[in-house]
Amino acid sequence: DIQMTQSPSTLSASVGDRVTITCRASQNIDGWLAWYQQKPGKAPNLLIYKASTLESGVPSRFSGSGSGTEFTLTINSLQPDDFATYYCQHYYGSSRTFGQGTKVEI
Amino acid sequence: QVQLVESGGGVVQPGRSLRPSCAASGFTFSNYAMHWVRQAPGKGLEWVAVISYDGSNKYYADSVKGRFTISRDNSKNTLYLQMNSLRAEDMAVYYCARDSTIFGVASYFDYWGQGTLVTVSS
Repeated sequence: DIQMTQSPSTLSASVGDRVTITCRASQNIDGWLAWYQQKPGKAPNLLIYKASTLESGVPSRFSGSGSGTEFTLTINSLQPDDFATYYCQHYYGSSRTFGQGTKVEI
Repeated sequence: QVQLVESGGGVVQPGRSLRPSCAASGFTFSNYAMHWVRQAPGKGLEWVAVISYDGSNKYYADSVKGRFTISRDNSKNTLYLQMNSLRAEDMAVYYCARDSTIFGVASYFDYWGQGTLVTVSS
């Protein structure tokens, strides 16, 4: 099974900061990677798919990059609504695996 | 708009069974693969199972293979998860999620329900 490792597990930041979250796959997954945002008590929300394609309606301050085994999610000019937990997820083949999550806190 | 509403969670003893369901609306249910994803209290997300648009293909996480069965009724726009031989480690919020394709292979989740809590306890 493909393992996904996110870093850091927790990230402390301030409004207006630029933050970067890294996700590493245990084997090549090309660009088959998605990013989700989850707020406490809520379902996850799709942000990015195919490593760098922004889902419709997602603010442009979110961006994704990478391919193969290393990927990043960047949030430019962090907003109060962005404090949440972020998960990467591969979709290479029939199975899916999520990273363990990165909590972005104030 | 797309809506996914889970129900059927609850408290169940170890070894017993439960069948949560997910009612879909706002889109053509039979045109999409569907998934179950779970989240144990305070933990991360774990993919559980996927079913293709017509129910002909199903895949499971190793942790539930042989115990859980995913199914769908396209005439009722409803997704199901039959969970047998439940264990303490199956306790979680179970989300249904729409796949971005009809087959559920090499695809992501574009819509999620709000989840239903399954508690496994004696």
